[in-house]
Amino acid sequence: QLQLQESGPGLVKASETLSLTCTVSGGSISSNSYYWGWIRQPPGKGLEWIGSIYYSGSTYYNPSLKSRVSISVDTSKNHFSLKLSSVTAADTAVYYCARLSSAVGLSLDVWGQGTTVTVAS
Amino acid sequence: QSALTQPASVSGSPGQSITISCTGTSSDVGGYNFVSWYQQYPGKAPKLMIFDVSNRPSGVSNRFSGSKSGNTASLTISGLQAEDEADYYCSSFTSSSSWVFGGGTKLTVL
Repeated sequence: QLQLQESGPGLVKASETLSLTCTVSGGSISSNSYYWGWIRQPPGKGLEWIGSIYYSGSTYYNPSLKSRVSISVDTSKNHFSLKLSSVTAADTAVYYCARLSSAVGLSLDVWGQGTTVTVAS
Repeated sequence: QSALTQPASVSGSPGQSITISCTGTSSDVGGYNFVSWYQQYPGKAPKLMIFDVSNRPSGVSNRFSGSKSGNTASLTISGLQAEDEADYYCSSFTSSSSWVFGGGTKLTVL
């Protein structure tokens, strides 16, 4: 059964770069049927799409975050990563990684449990 | 990109039906049949309930159904049950080759 697990620092200082990794287990990140994405949810608020990546390295970003976001993939380690630069308190959120599957119209069908990141001023 | 518009809250009694709307533009909801719906319980990751406007993933109850007209998509839950009380989010593919979520709707089962 496919599982995704987010990892990274839970506390980041304002103006620095947030870095998270999502490790995929129980399946290959290199399948041509899937993309891999990052989504976040500020405390008490709704979901926000951050971006997604294909195993070949093609990326697609939320235009609102594009200038600060970078998503990369490491097929040898079966994981993909998120970097968000110049963070502020507004970037405090639960960050989820998830799989986008062509079997369900590239919707998010498998999610990680989420990791809380707090930006300290 | 702007979030899709959903009502902040809806409510219904057990056994009734409710509908949650999700309004976007011709650059997202109206332009593509790639609308999804997610259910989220407090403190948990979202769960996919509907994809491609009206399709249910395996294992999702047929009490959940989706539709779309113009720039507005809808999620209908029939035979409301206490376990349906959760937050619901719509999502759509966009002309920017990204996805956008709605603001979320809190469903209360009375």
